[in-house]
Amino acid sequence: DADVTQTPRNRITKTGKRIMLECSQTKGHDRMYWYRQDPGLGLQLIYYSFDVKDINKGEISDGYSVSRQAQAKFSLSLESAIPNQTALYFCATSDSRTRQETQYFGPGTRLLVL
Amino acid sequence: KQEVTQIPAALSVPEGENLVLNCSFTDSAIYNLQWFRQDPGKGLTSLLLIQSSQREQTSGRLNASLDKSSGRSTLYIAASQPGDSATYLCAVLNTGTASKLTFGTGTRLQVTL
Repeated sequence: DADVTQTPRNRITKTGKRIMLECSQTKGHDRMYWYRQDPGLGLQLIYYSFDVKDINKGEISDGYSVSRQAQAKFSLSLESAIPNQTALYFCATSDSRTRQETQYFGPGTRLLVL
Repeated sequence: KQEVTQIPAALSVPEGENLVLNCSFTDSAIYNLQWFRQDPGKGLTSLLLIQSSQREQTSGRLNASLDKSSGRSTLYIAASQPGDSATYLCAVLNTGTASKLTFGTGTRLQVTL
C-alpha cells in the first residue's frame, strides 16, 4: 500500500462549489504539505503543517484552507472554486527527526474547475 | 527570493546515451537540494538528496553533483533506458525557510529505442 494517499484522484467541479481534497499518510511523519502544479510552472506551496496545532500559509494560500485532523491526515479545501484553481494538487510529508527532511509525495489529485 | 531554473525544458536521446540535466538556483544559502522524478499521472519520487556540505551523491546509474557557490546542480544519467523517460525536477530547501522547497519547472526526458 502507498505510504501517502490522496483522494479523490480526479475531480471535476463547477465554479463556486466547495470541495475538499484529502491526504493520508502511514509514514508516521509529523510534517505535511499541500502543493499545486500548473503546466510550465514548478510546484508551488499552498499550506504546510508541522504538527496538528501548527499550520502555516505557503506562497499561494488565497482561496484555500486546510485542516490537520490528526497527525496522519491533512485536508485541503477550496471554499468557492474558480477556474484558475484547475491544477494538479500534491500532498507531501517529511519527518523533522531526520537531518535530511526528504519530502515524500502522494500520487496527486487532478482538479478541473468548470 | 529563491528561483530555480532547469535547462533544457525537454530532451530526447536514443537509448544507451549518457546525459546531463541541469539545475541552477539564485540563492546559495541552501540546506539541501533534491532531484525528483515525475511520471505521468503519478506523484514525485525522490531520486537523490544532496546536503549543502556535500559535492555529489550517487544511486545506481544516477549521479547528482552540487556546486553551491555557483548555484548549480547536475543530474547525470548513465546508459539511459526507455524506462528513464519521465520529467525530472530539482528542488532546493533554503536555510531558515522551515522545510519549504522551491521547485524548478522540470526537464521532460524521452529515451527512444
